[in-house]
Amino acid sequence: DIQMTQSPSTLSASVGDRVTITCRASQSISSWLAWYQQKPGKAPKLLIYKASSLESGVPSRFSGSGSGTEFTLTISSLQPDDFATYYCQQYNSYPLTFGPGTKVDIK
Amino acid sequence: EVQLVESGGGLVQPGGSLKLSCAASGFTFSGSAMHWVRQASGKGLEWVGRIRSKANSYATAYAASVKGRFTISRDDSKNTAYLQMNSLKTEDTAVYYCTRQDVVAAKIDYWGQGTLVTVSS
Repeated sequence: DIQMTQSPSTLSASVGDRVTITCRASQSISSWLAWYQQKPGKAPKLLIYKASSLESGVPSRFSGSGSGTEFTLTISSLQPDDFATYYCQQYNSYPLTFGPGTKVDIK
Repeated sequence: EVQLVESGGGLVQPGGSLKLSCAASGFTFSGSAMHWVRQASGKGLEWVGRIRSKANSYATAYAASVKGRFTISRDDSKNTAYLQMNSLKTEDTAVYYCTRQDVVAAKIDYWGQGTLVTVSS
């Protein structure tokens, strides 16, 4: 199975900050990586797919990059609505696996 | 508008069974692969399994933690996917989400609201 790790596990930031979250895969997954945002009590929401493609309707302050085993999610200017937990997920091979999550909270 | 609505969750004793349903609308259900993902309270996301379309022989795949106990099926005439859970364990307690996989981009893009399954005596 492909193991996914994320860093940091928690990130404290202020509105307007540039935020970067890193996701690493235990083996190459090409660009088969997605990023999700989840708020308490809600289902995850797809932000980025195929490592860098922005899902329709997602604000352009979100961007993704990387390939192979290392990926990043960047929020260019953090907004109040962005305080949430973020998960990466590989869909290169089964079983699909998720990273443990990065919680972005208010500094 | 794509909608996925799960139902069937509840309280069940260890060793018991439960069948979840996922009613889909707003897209061509018969052509889509459907996945189940779960999340224990305060924990991360865990992929449970998926079923492909008729064109892909309704092929299924499961996480090792549920293989042999859980079965995913679908009824394309009812636009509904199912998750049959047998021999339930306390560690199966979680919110279960039904999700859709986009045919072209392979991304899992739509999620239901989730249904809570509690396994406890």
